[in-house]
Amino acid sequence: EAQVTQNPRYLITVTGKKLTVTCSQNMNHEYMSWYRQDPGLGLRQIYYSMNVEVTDKGDVPEGYKVSRKEKRNFPLILESPSPNQTSLYFCASTRLAGVYNEQFFGPGTRLTVL
Amino acid sequence: AQSVTQLDSHVSVSEGTPVLLRCNYSSSYSPSLFWYVQHPNKGLQLLLKYTSAATLVKGINGFEAEFKKSETSFHLTKPSAHMSDAAEYFCVVSVISGTYKYIFGTGTRLKVLA
Repeated sequence: EAQVTQNPRYLITVTGKKLTVTCSQNMNHEYMSWYRQDPGLGLRQIYYSMNVEVTDKGDVPEGYKVSRKEKRNFPLILESPSPNQTSLYFCASTRLAGVYNEQFFGPGTRLTVL
Repeated sequence: AQSVTQLDSHVSVSEGTPVLLRCNYSSSYSPSLFWYVQHPNKGLQLLLKYTSAATLVKGINGFEAEFKKSETSFHLTKPSAHMSDAAEYFCVVSVISGTYKYIFGTGTRLKVLA
């Protein structure tokens, strides 16, 4: 089954404790992206990657890191989480060929930073 | 700069009456436009996408959207609302110009009254 998976689905942590949220897709998509969703703000892009070893900042990159060492994986790293990073996070992927390409989303990771 | 504006943050309709969710976009290029739906505590599902083949786009679950270039709009409609349509809806524009980004509207929460 074609899908985007994220782990963990739920995470409660404390300020300053490094964490990683994993994202994996099995569709051989070149493009992967991370978003955060906050009430009234929609989804805002954190980082995206157009291929292996190619990453770029989205609209809200501060406090986050990513890496793309393999095509299928795109982990999101919070080196020193803070309470303002409490949010619902989505990973997404899409192919780059063509122009009308919808993104496929993972199920989301709900992060609480105390 | 590209942007998306969803004109209503909340819409309430009675079951069996028409649904109209409004979206205006701003794009310097021919846009790729999408509507996604997010049911409570769920991920994002593609409802429909504009591919330039036709200005009236049909999606899943009886939803349609009409692309109007002169009005820079891509409003989502459904002739008859069902209780299961209660969800949050996002209008999205993709930008392909050196970068490849997806810009989300802030969302419209649809409430369906019995």
